[in-house]
Amino acid sequence: TQLLEQSPQFLSIQEGENLTVYCNSSSVFSSLQWYRQEPGEGPVLLVTVVTGGEVKKLKRLTFQFGDARKDSSLHITAAQPGDTGLYLCAGAGYGQNFVFGPGTRLSVLP
Amino acid sequence: GAGVSQTPSNKVTEKGKYVELRCDPISGHTALYWYRQSLGQGPEFLIYFQGTGAADDSGLPNDRFFAVRPEGSVSTLKIQRTERGDSAVYLCASSLSGRRNEQYFGPGTRLTVT
Repeated sequence: TQLLEQSPQFLSIQEGENLTVYCNSSSVFSSLQWYRQEPGEGPVLLVTVVTGGEVKKLKRLTFQFGDARKDSSLHITAAQPGDTGLYLCAGAGYGQNFVFGPGTRLSVLP
Repeated sequence: GAGVSQTPSNKVTEKGKYVELRCDPISGHTALYWYRQSLGQGPEFLIYFQGTGAADDSGLPNDRFFAVRPEGSVSTLKIQRTERGDSAVYLCASSLSGRRNEQYFGPGTRLTVT
């Protein structure tokens, strides 16, 4: 069974600060996704990474897939209150379903 | 365009009762997924449909859980003899085809078993 750990579990920061959240596993993934989920809604896909060492940028968000394809990080620059939410990573092995981590709950205070 | 819709948004039922949860996927999406999300956890895979057939039901926790998608569009998740441990948000997602495409999630049904 593939298990994903995410850290930190909770993060509360002031508007304008930078932050990094992490997603780790002992398993190798063929692809890894990051989602953001807001209360009362389903998760919304932010990015998919498939190549070890891959870096993708989405405005102020930077996603990196580890060289060994076992871990990933999400860095947010100059966080805004609109970034508040639950950040989930999900990994899949070849031909397998995506397995979700428990998430990092981010709160950005104005 | 319309996204994935789920009904009801909230369901409160007594222990031992039967419940049905409905999912309307995005039109044209052949793949449909059910997940369960407990408080403080990420979504947990339950079942995956490709068209009308369940391609992978390995996540269903026991035989009290069953899902159908008779016409390859709307899906119903059925839970018999509900238990308090079944309380969770049940999420549905659809994708254009297969597991590798982007999944679009509905808002979920919050099930509370008293």
